[in-house]
Amino acid sequence: DAGVIQSPRHEVTEMGQEVTLRCKPISGHNSLFWYRQTMMRGLELLIYFNNNVPIDDSGMPEDRFSAKMPNASFSTLKIQPSEPRDSAVYFCASSPRYSNQPQHFGDGTRLSIL
Amino acid sequence: SQQGEEDPQALSIQEGENATMNCSYKTSINNLQWYRQNSGRGLVHLILIRSNEREKHSGRLRVTLDTSKKSSSLLITASRAADTASYFCAPLTYTGANSKLTFGKGITLSVRP
Repeated sequence: DAGVIQSPRHEVTEMGQEVTLRCKPISGHNSLFWYRQTMMRGLELLIYFNNNVPIDDSGMPEDRFSAKMPNASFSTLKIQPSEPRDSAVYFCASSPRYSNQPQHFGDGTRLSIL
Repeated sequence: SQQGEEDPQALSIQEGENATMNCSYKTSINNLQWYRQNSGRGLVHLILIRSNEREKHSGRLRVTLDTSKKSSSLLITASRAADTASYFCAPLTYTGANSKLTFGKGITLSVRP
């Protein structure tokens, strides 16, 4: 069974550009999570969906960040406009139901904003 | 939500030795999960221990939970170079649909061949 698939694996872009990160969760999983990892702040939860509905977006840093889950097999995280401080590794994870079950992580998107 | 705090921040051992990593948390939990992250990869779930369990084993991994001390430990026995990775604990307090894991900063484990 395929794991969580994220694309692209690496993204380098200039400040001010729009960035779109993509995630395909494991088939049958009802919960999807977006995380950001940096050396300074560790792993932070940005937003959490259950059955395609955003449940908690309190971790989204600013209005420049938005996330959607149009169907059970696809989610996007968008940053517009991007800033150098957004540089980080962004992970998507899914779990069968809620976060009290193990989460399965993708290999992340390493984002560099110049 | 609450964050687990791992200790030590870094650990270096010789292959074949045991590695013990600790995690503390602040409020009551429903379960606590340990994850591993290899360099350049996503986190991988290792083991979940529920609040009514005291010890759990999985291969060379042994996890203990002491709810009275609000702490957990992860023991890797007979370590291998391939165990070199970062290890994270994530306590969970279940509050329904809004429950979420909060990861600590992690422990960097280096196993020297």
